[in-house]
Amino acid sequence: DAKTTQPPSMDCAEGRAANLPCNHSTISGNEYVYWYRQIHSQGPQYIIHGLKNNETNEMASLIITEDRKSSTLILPHATLRDTAVYYCIVRVIPMLNTGNQFYFGTGTSLTVIP
Amino acid sequence: DGGITQSPKYLFRKEGQNVTLSCEQNLNHDAMYWYRQDPGQGLRLIYYSQIVNDFQKGDIAEGYSVSREKKESFPLTVTSAQKNPTAFYLCASSLRNTGELFFGEGSRLTVL
Repeated sequence: DAKTTQPPSMDCAEGRAANLPCNHSTISGNEYVYWYRQIHSQGPQYIIHGLKNNETNEMASLIITEDRKSSTLILPHATLRDTAVYYCIVRVIPMLNTGNQFYFGTGTSLTVIP
Repeated sequence: DGGITQSPKYLFRKEGQNVTLSCEQNLNHDAMYWYRQDPGQGLRLIYYSQIVNDFQKGDIAEGYSVSREKKESFPLTVTSAQKNPTAFYLCASSLRNTGELFFGEGSRLTVL
């Protein structure tokens, strides 16, 4: 089962920052936090990931709290094309000879409003 | 361009028939995955494979089968034993032990 908790839906005005929270209170010390998004009826797209430091790339910023129990994905200037479902995933540590599983929950449905 | 290709995009089948969904990648990725998505739901892991000729069951493997005879291919067969096969199926790949999954565009299966 997924080990993260996200609000089911959020709205954001176009041009404003979208801040998407994620709770992962049971995260282990060497588990990463990943963010993906899924535009309707398409495959999910990788956005960003982090371990303990804040991260930024051309798509978004990831802020992880010092205790690592929660994080926030920030889309600095949301556009209508950012309307999607956003998934926060804690990566399960692969066991020897087993998989590299990723567990996707129901995510947060972000609607960017004109 | 490198990528991951799923086919067919839409598929209809009658109850009791097996159907195979194709997934091909030219990214030279070791790991491949199959997920199922139902309307309004998240993704659930069906099967995954870390290397050729090896694969593992995910959370909902019953009624499905896979093979991994080639690194670039990971077909999924939805058998008649799958009680509710109508869903959106997504294939993904990654380098082994990295966290960036690359997804295909999906295959939508409808059982009539």
